[in-house]
Amino acid sequence: AQSVAQPEDQVNVAEGNPLTVKCTYSVSGNPYLFWYVQYPNRGLQFLLKYITGDNLVKGSYGFEAEFNKSQTSFHLKKPSALVSDSALYFCAVRDIGYGQNFVFGPGTRLSVLP
Amino acid sequence: EPEVTQTPSHQVTQMGQEVILRCVPISNHLYFYWYRQILGQKVEFLVSFYNNEISEKSEIFDDQFSVERPDGSNFTLKIRSTKLEDSAMYFCATKGTGGPNEQYFGPGTRLTVT
Repeated sequence: AQSVAQPEDQVNVAEGNPLTVKCTYSVSGNPYLFWYVQYPNRGLQFLLKYITGDNLVKGSYGFEAEFNKSQTSFHLKKPSALVSDSALYFCAVRDIGYGQNFVFGPGTRLSVLP
Repeated sequence: EPEVTQTPSHQVTQMGQEVILRCVPISNHLYFYWYRQILGQKVEFLVSFYNNEISEKSEIFDDQFSVERPDGSNFTLKIRSTKLEDSAMYFCATKGTGGPNEQYFGPGTRLTVT
């Protein structure tokens, strides 16, 4: 079965510093990987995805993610963090099966300190 | 920009009562999903729906749950006899086409079972 791990419950970073939120995956077949962000009392907002092609994918709000097949990782990055980036971040993989639903990781809470 | 909407935003119900959560998908989307999230924790898949039938469901989606698209626009989740452990945020998500594309999430309905 597809699964996603986010090894850090919480990541703290100072504003202006680079940030990384880690994600590793385990899949059967091709990995289709996604990052979503959730602000308090809000739904999930799509940030970016990896389907195929370049290992570095760029997404919304200056975020990017690096797909690494050998390490089965898909870490989310941003060169310069903003206080407004503070939120809950979820990595997801598309499940096998006809439904094409997502399997989400447990989430990582990012706090950007001013 | 088109978005997924959900009603109500908050539903309080007594244990054993039936609830219906409603979602209006993005107009040209064909794939519909329900997920739930208990108290800011992991987002869990419930059910996927395509071509007017369930395409996949999780173990959580037992006989107490049902989905339908009664009028070609709304997509509903019914819980027949709510339990305390059904208290969660319920998110509707939709996707335009097949393939490994992102899903668009609604703002969620907070269900509180007392």
